[in-house]
Amino acid sequence: QVQLVESGGGLVKPGGSLRLSCAASGFTFSDNYMSWIRRAPGKGLEWISYISSRGSTIYYADSVRGRFIISRDNAKNSLYLQMNSLRADDTAVYYCAVHYRGNSCLDYWGQGTLVTVSS
Amino acid sequence: HSVLTQPPSVSAAPGQKVTISCSGNSSNIGNNYVSWYQQLPGTAPKLLISENNRRPSGIPDRFSGSKSGTSATLGITGLQTGDEADYFCGAWDSRLSGVVFGGGTKLTVL
Repeated sequence: QVQLVESGGGLVKPGGSLRLSCAASGFTFSDNYMSWIRRAPGKGLEWISYISSRGSTIYYADSVRGRFIISRDNAKNSLYLQMNSLRADDTAVYYCAVHYRGNSCLDYWGQGTLVTVSS
Repeated sequence: HSVLTQPPSVSAAPGQKVTISCSGNSSNIGNNYVSWYQQLPGTAPKLLISENNRRPSGIPDRFSGSKSGTSATLGITGLQTGDEADYFCGAWDSRLSGVVFGGGTKLTVL
């Protein structure tokens, strides 16, 4: 069965950096597009970044463009999110998800990892 | 504020039916598929409806989706207390080049 397991969250000071990982199994990772999505406390879901199957196409939300970098290692079945210049409003649970059925659909989600940005 | 518009909350009694609306524009719902997600308290979001009206394997037929123009609707029949959750619509936005979500609708089963 499809499994997505995020790791790397934690407490970081404003201006700091953090790297999230997402380990994928149960499907052909290298064939599928992936996204990172977050949910801040008391807020809704916010899509933040997308990467195509080979990494040739990447998109970011305006809120993170220039600060976050998405990448993937298909040999390791892993997705990454390098987060720099973190701000308090980046505090959220971060989820990775796989697009099985096209760009509009996030078919499976990981359990999420909590990132807290606070001094 | 969210690109797609949903009501913040809906409520109904057990056994009843509820609908949740999702409004967008030609860049998202109007020209791309709509998906719906259920997020139970303390858990990850789960896909309920894909491609406007298709239920993934394991999703009961109490859940249904429809789309017309730049709006979409999620229907839930035979409400159960276990359906209490946040529900989100989502779609690809061709102008923004990204997934856009509604603000979420909290369902309360009274």
